[in-house]
Amino acid sequence: AQSVTQLDSHVSVSEGTPVLLRCNYSSSYSPSLFWYVQHPNKGLQLLLKYTSAATLVKGINGFEAEFKKSETSFHLTKPSAHMSDAAEYFCVVSRTDSWGKLQFGAGTQVVVTP
Amino acid sequence: GAVVSQHPSWVICKSGTSVKIECRSLDFQATTMFWYRQFPKQSLMLMATSNEGSKATYEQGVEKDKFLINHASLTLSTLTVTSAHPEDSSFYICSARAELGETQYFGPGTRLLVL
Repeated sequence: AQSVTQLDSHVSVSEGTPVLLRCNYSSSYSPSLFWYVQHPNKGLQLLLKYTSAATLVKGINGFEAEFKKSETSFHLTKPSAHMSDAAEYFCVVSRTDSWGKLQFGAGTQVVVTP
Repeated sequence: GAVVSQHPSWVICKSGTSVKIECRSLDFQATTMFWYRQFPKQSLMLMATSNEGSKATYEQGVEKDKFLINHASLTLSTLTVTSAHPEDSSFYICSARAELGETQYFGPGTRLLVL
C-alpha cells in the first residue's frame, strides 16, 4: 500500500520569500513521486516528478523537490515566491496496488501576500 | 505538447437528467484515460480508469451504472453521469497517459451543478 501526507493544509508566505511545502510518503516499493499545482477552477499542472534518478528534481517555475529516502520525504521548495504561485499544491505518489494509478495528498493551499 | 481538453467546462442540469463530459488528448494518443472527481476544498479521488477499446475499471464504491465511461478512440474518452442528483455536483477532472509509466496530463476540469 502507499500513502502520502501533506503536513500543512495552508501556507502563507510573503512575496519574494522562500516557499516550503512538506510531503511525506509511504510505499512498499520504490515510488514515483510528483508535485502538481492547481489554480482556482483549473485542472492540474505537473510541476516536477521523481522517478528514481537524481534525488534533487528541478521543475517548472523555479520549483524543486528533494527525495529523501531515509526521511520518506519529498518536500517542495522555491527560493522566492511570486504572486502567481498562489494556488493549491498536491503531492502525489504512484500506487503500488495498481500500476500507473496515482494517490493524491490532501493538498496545501498557498497564499502569497504582497 | 501534452494538452488535454475537457468539454464542457461547466454544466448545470436538472435532477434526473444525464450529462456527458468529453475528455480529449489534443496532441498525443492516450492509451489510458482516468476520471477523477474533486469536492470543494478536497483532493482528487480516482473514479475509474479507461483503456482504449476496453471496458473501464472502476474504483471501489463508484457505481459503474451511474458513471458510464466510453473510451472509443485513442484521443477521446467520455463520462456520462446518468440520472444525476444534487449529490453528484462536483468538479470532474480527466487525465490522459500515452504509455504505461508515462506522466498523466490533466484536463482543465468540468464543473457540474445538479439542481
